[in-house]
Amino acid sequence: AQKITQTQPGMFVQEKEAVTLDCTYDTSDQSYGLFWYKQPSSGEMIFLIYQGSYDEQNATEGRYSLNFQKARKSANLVISASQLGDSAMYFCAMREAYNAGNMLTFGGGTRLMVKP
Amino acid sequence: NAGVTQTPKFRVLKTGQSMTLLCAQDMNHEYMYWYRQDPGMGLRLIHYSVGEGTTAKGEVPDGYNVSRLKKQNFLLGLESAAPSQTSVYFCASRGHQETQYFGPGTRLLVL
Repeated sequence: AQKITQTQPGMFVQEKEAVTLDCTYDTSDQSYGLFWYKQPSSGEMIFLIYQGSYDEQNATEGRYSLNFQKARKSANLVISASQLGDSAMYFCAMREAYNAGNMLTFGGGTRLMVKP
Repeated sequence: NAGVTQTPKFRVLKTGQSMTLLCAQDMNHEYMYWYRQDPGMGLRLIHYSVGEGTTAKGEVPDGYNVSRLKKQNFLLGLESAAPSQTSVYFCASRGHQETQYFGPGTRLLVL
């Protein structure tokens, strides 16, 4: 079974509008972490935001927020006021419990395209 | 402030050739990782290290070897390259915080 599922292969959003990128996860661990990374066309992986499973508040970082719904096992990324530079691939990832290597498992990604 | 660097940026190999990818980090991080990314997919973990002198297998370790002789360096080796190893390889490191920081990637083409 997929541990991280991103059901939207591609999405369009109008510049200055908000957009939500979906991520659902599967784990039986009580302690885990959820991450979002951005990969622009240049190829680098840029860390955006982190949510711990015990964090009561949804994480926010500037225009990025993580809509964490623990019971539904979803960790959607919300980008407010989209900009042309937000066009990129976005990956959701999970770190389960405190495994020896603190490894991340990635979803398949969502390609976001911002229209001017 | 280099962060995580990778050498080389791009390489073409013939089937059966060997090569080593170098990852270096200047953040004094304990954990280091090697991932591969195939077209249209997320990253998959090849090998990782939790400290100098230690290595462990990830999700897709076959055909690769690694070494961590110095804390700041993590080497990924391909002993006999195969076309299936054509991919983009990312190195990452992590300190005591949760976040993994990634290098710029190495594009490898095996003919």
